[in-house]
Order: sequence, then structure tokens, then C-alpha cells
Amino acid sequence: DIQMTQSPSSMSVSLGDTVTITCRASQDVGIYVNWFQQKPGKSPRRMIYRATNLADGVPSRFSGSRSGSDYSLTISSLESEDVADYHCLQYDEYPYTFGAGTKLELK
Amino acid sequence: QVTLKESGPGILQPSQTLSLTCTFSGFSLSTYGMGVGWIRQPSGKGLEWLANIWWDDDKYYNPSLKNRLTISKDTSNNQAFLKITNVDTADTATYYCARIYGGSPFAYWGQGTLVTVSS
Repeated sequence: DIQMTQSPSSMSVSLGDTVTITCRASQDVGIYVNWFQQKPGKSPRRMIYRATNLADGVPSRFSGSRSGSDYSLTISSLESEDVADYHCLQYDEYPYTFGAGTKLELK
Repeated sequence: QVTLKESGPGILQPSQTLSLTCTFSGFSLSTYGMGVGWIRQPSGKGLEWLANIWWDDDKYYNPSLKNRLTISKDTSNNQAFLKITNVDTADTATYYCARIYGGSPFAYWGQGTLVTVSS
């Protein structure tokens, strides 16, 4: 199985920060990485698809990038509504695998 | 408007079979390229992909659950199903179904259904 090593597992953040979360794939997954946001008690929401594409309705302060086997989600100028858990997913190969998640907390 | 909604038993005992239903609207599982996946999340933990079923009845399973999973669909009634046999407490989780289309999975999710396995 492809491992998606997500870091950090948690992050203490302030409003206005630029936040970067990374997933490292254990083997090549090409562009087939999605990022999801999940708030407490809610279903995940797709934010980024195919590594770099902003999903419909997602604010432009969110962006996705790829460098080799590292995939990153960046939130520019963090807003209070962005405080949530974030998960990456690779779907290049079965079984699909998620990263372990990153929890953003306000300082 | 795409919507999905999961339903399940709520609580069941170890060794029983868990049966989950995903009832959806706004799309058809007979459409070329369409699929539905199941994902679960134990409380306070990460997401785990379980299985996908596609418009052409292709099915894929997470091998970590060995041969305990069966996914199926009823295209006429806009439903997808997941069965997990021989459950134990480790299967306690919120179970989600989500749509796959356009080559990128899980743009739409259901609200999730909590399943508790307890004796």
C-alpha cells in the first residue's frame, strides 16, 4: 500500500498566518492527491483535487502544490473558519490511502 | 443538487454483520464514470477508505479488511450498500459514503452514520 505521511499532526496557528501542511507519498502517485477539510462533527469537504486544483467554492487563499513526492496544502492569511482538521488522500492506486490528518488549533 | 445519506443499524454486537445503505440523489450510478465509495472514521481518528463501486459494477476493496467487505448497488433506486461481516469493537466508527466522478473522488459526502459495536 502507498503510505501518505502527513505532517505536522497538529499545529498551533494565529489568524493571518500562512499555514502549510505536507503529505509525502511512499511512491509515485502523480497528480492524484486530494485535500479535505473537516470540522468537528461534520463530513469532510474536498478543498483541492488533482494536487493543485481548487475545488468549487473554496476560497482562493487555499492552494495545493507538488514537489516530487511531497504534496502541500497552503492556507494564506488564515481565517477563523479555516481552523479544522485537514486530510490528504492518494487515489493513484488501490487501496486509496489517507494521511493521518493535521489538526489546526488557534494559539 | 447532489446529496448522499447513509443509514445503518446504530449499534450491533460483535460477530454480527453490519449492513449500510447509501441513498443518493442528483446523479445516477448508471452514468459512465460514476462511482460511490465508502470511508470510515473512528472517533478522534483519521479517515480510512473501505471500498468503491463503479457504474459498470467494478468493485474495489481495502485489503486490510481482508474478505469481510461486500459492496453493491441498486441503480434503479439510487442506492449503494456495504456489508461488513464479523464485526468487532474496532469497527466502531462513523461511516460515510461519497461520490466519485470525473476522475477525482469524494467531491460530495453524506452526513455519516455512527456505528457502535458493543456487547
